[in-house]
Amino acid sequence: NAGVTQTPKFQVLKTGQSMTLQCAQDMNHEYMSWYRQDPGMGLRLIHYSVGAGITDQGEVPNGYNVSRSTTEDFPLRLLSAAPSQTSVYFCASSYFGGLSYEQYFGPGTRLTVT
Amino acid sequence: AQKITQTQPGMFVQEKEAVTLDCTYDTSDQSYGLFWYKQPSSGEMIFLIYQGSYDEQNATEGRYSLNFQKARKSANLVISASQLGDSAMYFCAMRALETSYDKVIFGPGTSLSVIP
Repeated sequence: NAGVTQTPKFQVLKTGQSMTLQCAQDMNHEYMSWYRQDPGMGLRLIHYSVGAGITDQGEVPNGYNVSRSTTEDFPLRLLSAAPSQTSVYFCASSYFGGLSYEQYFGPGTRLTVT
Repeated sequence: AQKITQTQPGMFVQEKEAVTLDCTYDTSDQSYGLFWYKQPSSGEMIFLIYQGSYDEQNATEGRYSLNFQKARKSANLVISASQLGDSAMYFCAMRALETSYDKVIFGPGTSLSVIP
């Protein structure tokens, strides 16, 4: 049982490049989400999904795309990277349908855009 | 819209003393869940404690307790008998259904340092 896995752990991009951050979970969780963590700002919700084919925007969705074709995977795409997207990105998952379900987090991806 | 406020960017506490980390929240929902997570310097996110908006008793988990005051919209974390390993960032979070689906948002966090 690997829990929530994220790849890569570290990434350096040049401005304008695109890339996909991978997230996978093996707990059969319907709910998955992406956050970015910046100093002094906590974790800010980018996008989330409540099941395959269903996604919604969070607090800071601009510049990011998501899709959810399977229960296990929830990739985050940066279409044209900008220095403002330099951050640590966390993927999380939980059961869906109750407000008491805590989230399980991946180890994070540290992204630097130069 | 949902919002979480943590007004203490940094806190210090003496080892073995108790400490309270503040959290206030805003939501238009009557039903919501409140969570606290710990993030040590290693970076992982660790779930600590949960409180439901309709729970009449304050939640407790070992040395952690949640001081829930619904009318004031506050959900403070109390850590009793602080240990050196409690030095970490602490995040308050809320799960509420304001739009189509419930979403979880976090506050900016409080950095706790435990002094020997």
